[in-house]
Amino acid sequence: SAVISQKPSRDICQRGTSLTIQCQVDSQVTMMFWYRQQPGQSLTLIATANQGSEATYESGFVIDKFPISRPNLTFSTLTVSNMSPEDSSIYLCSVEAVDTQYFGPGTRLTVL
Amino acid sequence: KQEVTQIPAALSVPEGENLVLNCSFTDSAIYNLQWFRQDPGKGLTSLLLIQSSQREQTSGRLNASLDKSSGRSTLYIAASQPGDSATYLCAVSGGATNKLIFGTGTLLAVQP
Repeated sequence: SAVISQKPSRDICQRGTSLTIQCQVDSQVTMMFWYRQQPGQSLTLIATANQGSEATYESGFVIDKFPISRPNLTFSTLTVSNMSPEDSSIYLCSVEAVDTQYFGPGTRLTVL
Repeated sequence: KQEVTQIPAALSVPEGENLVLNCSFTDSAIYNLQWFRQDPGKGLTSLLLIQSSQREQTSGRLNASLDKSSGRSTLYIAASQPGDSATYLCAVSGGATNKLIFGTGTLLAVQP
C-alpha cells in the first residue's frame, strides 16, 4: 500500500492568484496522477507525472494553467495558476502500487 | 472514448438491507476495474480491484462482479450499516498508462 499526504488540505484564494499543492508519498513510485473533482462531479484526470520527464496532460488541461513538478520518486506539486472561481474543486493526487491506485486526502480549493 | 456510468445516482436504505450498486462502461477493453468509497471531505479509499481476467472479488461484506463483455460491474453490500454511508465510485483503467476513468458515483445513505 501507499500512504499519501497533501498540503494544504484546503485554501480560499482570490481570483488571479496561484496556489501550489504538494503531494508526498511514503514510498518510491514511478507514476503520480493529479485529479480534479468539481462540485457534484466525479474525478477527472488532469495529468500524469513521471519522475524525470515532462508531465502528460489530458485533453482540456494545459501546462500553463496547471504546471506540475516531479523532482523525485516520492514528491510532486501541482500549481493552479491565474485562478478563477471555475477552478474551485477538490484536487487529489494518486499513485499506483500493485495495480491499485491510492489517493491522497485531497485539497479543497475555493476561489472567490 | 471510454465512458463510465453508475446507477442509481443516489440510494437510501434502512440498516441491515442488502443492496447492489451498478456500474457500466462503454469500451470493454479494460485492464481492471476498481470500486472506491469517498467520504465527505476525504480522499478515496480503494475497496476492491478486479482484473480484466477475473469475474469477481470479495472483501468482508462487499462483493464486486465484472462482466467485461457486457461492460458491467456490480458492487453488492450485504447487511448494510450506517457506517457504509458514503459515495461509491467505480473506475476502469486501460491502455499503457493505466489511467483511471471514473464513473459518476452513487451516493449511499444507510438509515439507522
